[in-house]
Amino acid sequence: DSGVTQTPKHLITATGQRVTLRCSPRSGDLSVYWYQQSLDQGLQFLIQYYNGEERAKGNILERFSAQQFPDLHSELNLSSLELGDSALYFCASSEGQQETQYFGPGTRLLVL
Amino acid sequence: AQKITQTQPGMFVQEKEAVTLDCTYDTSDPSYGLFWYKQPSSGEMIFLIYQGSYDQQNATEGRYSLNFQKARKSANLVISASQLGDSAMYFCAMREASGSARQLTFGSGTQLTVLP
Repeated sequence: DSGVTQTPKHLITATGQRVTLRCSPRSGDLSVYWYQQSLDQGLQFLIQYYNGEERAKGNILERFSAQQFPDLHSELNLSSLELGDSALYFCASSEGQQETQYFGPGTRLLVL
Repeated sequence: AQKITQTQPGMFVQEKEAVTLDCTYDTSDPSYGLFWYKQPSSGEMIFLIYQGSYDQQNATEGRYSLNFQKARKSANLVISASQLGDSAMYFCAMREASGSARQLTFGSGTQLTVLP
């Protein structure tokens, strides 16, 4: 158990819908990262937050957004969902920005 | 260009034998970190081992060791005394220190199967 929690574990929804994925980092970790793992794209970085502020953006679509709250948990919002958004979404956390990232169990999203 | 290359899509090893999973990387940043993660069929990503670009010694963590050859830009994972539970997908990843981003860039992974 990495200490990073993600909910829900599984999510099935329809095209055009909007979903919210939630992540709680390990106690004391200030950095939160979101990654997407799909069969065709592999593991890709989406976005990073550090102590409530956005620090870096990767291959995150305009339809996706995220935020980190004062209690350091983070949410990833996916809207206008398409079939291609079906993937495993990971949240990872680290104490600062140089330390090892520990991953949550992931949220498996299926868009039908 | 690929920043992390894992050329072995699949590997087989006999139980109790050692196995080496290859990883080469590409960066012009003098400061970087290299990581290996394990992803079992259940899906979670488990951190295994870390090597910093300035570390003089190869990293070791139990049965895992990292064969770091800086001039060749390779960071191979060695698993000694393989166990059935080692069967999983293994990812090599790099974090570059330049700029404000600290994200990991992953390779495509190697599927390791340990045979009884």
